[in-house]
Order: sequence, then structure tokens, then C-alpha cells
Amino acid sequence: GAVVSQHPSWVICKSGTSVKIECRSLDFQATTMFWYRQFPKQSLMLMATSNEGSKATYEQGVEKDKFLINHASLTLSTLTVTSAHPEDSSFYICSARDLTSRGDLYEQYFGPGTRLTVT
Amino acid sequence: GENVEQHPSTLSVQEGDSAVIKCTYSDSASNYFPWYKQELGKRPQLIIDIRSNVGEKKDQRIAVTLNKTAKHFSLHITETQPEDSAVYFCAATGSASKIIFGSGTRLSIRP
Repeated sequence: GAVVSQHPSWVICKSGTSVKIECRSLDFQATTMFWYRQFPKQSLMLMATSNEGSKATYEQGVEKDKFLINHASLTLSTLTVTSAHPEDSSFYICSARDLTSRGDLYEQYFGPGTRLTVT
Repeated sequence: GENVEQHPSTLSVQEGDSAVIKCTYSDSASNYFPWYKQELGKRPQLIIDIRSNVGEKKDQRIAVTLNKTAKHFSLHITETQPEDSAVYFCAATGSASKIIFGSGTRLSIRP
């Protein structure tokens, strides 16, 4: 089946620094990836849609200058949390669609998530 | 805007009994409705999904029903077991094929 990885699985950083999270589709090409944020005991909130070769589409209320998304290849999207603050501490999860002929056009494959703690 | 509402937020059932979780969606153009199970600190795991051209789908102890007219869909788990304890999320496709999640249901199975 389709596999999505994320790196790192967890990270601790100091307030004011930037953190980059990688999302990779390991055995398929993903022209579209999605980034979610999940606070404890809450649902997954879509932050942005990452499109290969073009600008990401951000959901309402998500600061594009704070959460930089780059989707430079068909298998890699990165999320950079700039000038992180304690309130950015959360579980960040990416997902991707396999849009090849062998893939299900609807199903999303999720990465294992990255737990970010900002001190 | 696009919205998916889910209830109940918590559900406790006796082992062996059935559990039902209900969701409603707002976007009439939604055409894909997945259900996910999430254990603490893990990624969401797809357990069943249904498309808009189908009213019901079953996979062993799990079934999902869809009423497009009412914009309702439900998850039914029969003969519940301790390993069914987790948080369950319904979801629906929104614009640009993104998936919008419900608020989640914490299911506990009492031995």
C-alpha cells in the first residue's frame, strides 16, 4: 500500500527559532499533499494544501508567512514553522493522495505525525 | 463554510454491544466519506469509507450508512471488543477535494 513518512517524529525547539518538518510519499507520486495540526484531545484541522510546483493554498486563519510550505518534488513537501512560540506546540500530520492510475482517487494516506514542543 | 459535525463526543458501551456514531455535513457537493480510528499519538487509520453513489457499506463488524438527502452518515460497530477503544473521526470531502474532519468521538469499551 501507499506509504507516507514524516521527519522528524518529534522535535523540541526554543521559542523564536524555526523548525522544518518533512513529508515524503515513499512509493507513489503525490502532486497534492495536505498539512494538518492536531491539539490534544481535538480533531485534525486542515492548515493548507500543498501543490507540487505551485504555491500552497492556506485555510482561513492560517498565517502563510508563519507556516511556510514548499512542495518542490512529487514526493516531498516541507512545512517550516517560523519564529515558533509555545502556542505552536502541537501534533503536525501530513497526508497525500496517490493520483496515479493504480491509486484510489479519494483516499488520503497519512504520515505518522510530528510532535512539536516549543519551550 | 464547509463543516462536519459529529456526535457524541464520548461513548461508553459494554463489550459485545453495538456502538453508533453520527455525523452531518454541510457541503452538498461532498462525495466521499471516510471514517478514521486514531489511537493516542498515532496517525489516523482509515477503517471504512463510502462514496455518494452508495447508501450502505459493510466490512465485518463495521458498517457505514449514508443519507445524501439529509446529509447524514453514520458508523456502526457491532460486537464491540476492547481493542475498539479509540477516538473515531468522520470526514467528508470539501472543495478542491480536501477532507474535512468531524470533531471526534472517544469510544470506550467496558469489559
